[in-house]
Amino acid sequence: NAGVTQTPKFRILKIGQSMTLQCTQDMNHNYMYWYRQDPGMGLKLIYYSVGAGITDKGEVPNGYNVSRSTTEDFPLRLELAAPSQTSVYFCASARDTSYGYTFGSGTRLTVV
Amino acid sequence: GQQLNQSPQSMFIQEGEDVSMNCTSSSIFNTWLWYKQDPGEGPVLLIALYKAGELTSNGRLTAQFGITRKDSFLNISASIPSDVGIYFCAGHSGGGADGLTFGKGTHLIIQP
Repeated sequence: NAGVTQTPKFRILKIGQSMTLQCTQDMNHNYMYWYRQDPGMGLKLIYYSVGAGITDKGEVPNGYNVSRSTTEDFPLRLELAAPSQTSVYFCASARDTSYGYTFGSGTRLTVV
Repeated sequence: GQQLNQSPQSMFIQEGEDVSMNCTSSSIFNTWLWYKQDPGEGPVLLIALYKAGELTSNGRLTAQFGITRKDSFLNISASIPSDVGIYFCAGHSGGGADGLTFGKGTHLIIQP
């Protein structure tokens, strides 16, 4: 059982470039989340989705976009990369909002 | 938004010692969760608590949901080298689907 799979694991972007961070889960979870983790700052919610076709902003959505065309996939798009987006990005899914999330192994992004 | 105060920020202990960390919130949570993150990986759920006063164990780990619903603690007994990592508390108020609120983490370091 793969759980939550994130690709790529590492990426270096130049300022102004765009990219999509991929996330897929095979547990048929309705709830999916994108977090960013900065040193000493914990996890901040970027976007979340309660099911296919439904997405909503979290605490730090600026500079990002998401889509949820299927239950399994929840890609995160960076349109114009900025140094402030250098971070580790985690995707997570859950069966229910109050149950523990299953996290992917993360994407480490550096913008130079 | 809601904030969790997690302490201590870091702990330097000897192998075999017991460890205690806690989280407090200014608002009530209906769910408390404790996660562990190993280097280069996503957080993994250790213990979930759903009821005020609940005390739950998972091997050498014990966590409690505070009676006031505004705090939780995690204890690790007889620490071993593989306990090294970052421990996060997380809470959910039950009010919506917008994700868990995470503490900033406790970095556990075990000295030989």
